[in-house]
Amino acid sequence: DTGVSQNPRHKITKRGQNVTFRCDPISEHNRLYWYRQTLGQGPEFLTYFQNEAQLEKSRLLSDRFSAERPKGSFSTLEIQRTEQGDSAMYLCASSLGPTGQGAGELFFGEGSRLTVL
Amino acid sequence: KQEVTQIPAALSVPEGENLVLNCSFTDSAIYNLQWFRQDPGKGLTSLLLIQSSQREQTSGRLNASLDKSSGRSTLYIAASQPGDSATYLCAAPLLFGGTSYGKLTFGQGTILTVHP
Repeated sequence: DTGVSQNPRHKITKRGQNVTFRCDPISEHNRLYWYRQTLGQGPEFLTYFQNEAQLEKSRLLSDRFSAERPKGSFSTLEIQRTEQGDSAMYLCASSLGPTGQGAGELFFGEGSRLTVL
Repeated sequence: KQEVTQIPAALSVPEGENLVLNCSFTDSAIYNLQWFRQDPGKGLTSLLLIQSSQREQTSGRLNASLDKSSGRSTLYIAASQPGDSATYLCAAPLLFGGTSYGKLTFGQGTILTVHP
C-alpha cells in the first residue's frame, strides 16, 4: 500500500508526558499537512509543509506542539507536556502541488488517536 | 474566514434510495472542493475532487456538483447501500494568489445510515 502512513495508530499517555507521531506521505507528494479532529467535529488545520519548509501554522498549535519534516519526506508531530484537552485524532495528509490533473487533492492517513489520562 | 456548513447533520434512509447531501461555504474564492468519507475511528477517504473551473464530477454511484456563485456543492448518491453508511465531509481550500496551500476548511459532516 503506497498511501499515507501514520504511527502509532493509538497512543495512551498520562498528563504531562511527551508524545510523538510520525507521518509518511505518498512518496511523490511534496506537500504535507497535519489536522486535528475531535469527536463529532470536522478536522481542523494545524500546520502545512512544502518539502521541508513549514509554511503555515494554525493558532491552534500552541508552543507545546512542534512539527518537523527534516528531509522533505516523513514528518513528526510532537506534543510536549500533554494535557487532557489534547486528546483527539491527529490526521496527516499529503498532496501534489497546485497544477496538473488532480491538483490540490488531499490524501489522508488513518490517523493517530491520542488519549491523555 | 471560510465557513463550511453541511446539511443535514444526520440522515437515515432505507437501502436503494437516492439521496443528496448538501455543503455550503461562505467564501466563493475557492481553489477546489473535495468530498470525503470517514468511517468510525478511521481516517478520511477522498471521494471526489471538483476543480473550481468544473461544475461536476462523477465516480460510480456518486455525483458531486459545484456552484461557486451560490457557495454550494451537493453530493448525490444513487441506489444507496448499507456499505455507504459513514460520515461524509466536504472541504474547500481558499485561493491565495491564484493557487492554494491546500489548507482545508471542513464542515461538521453528514452522518449517513443506510439500513437494509
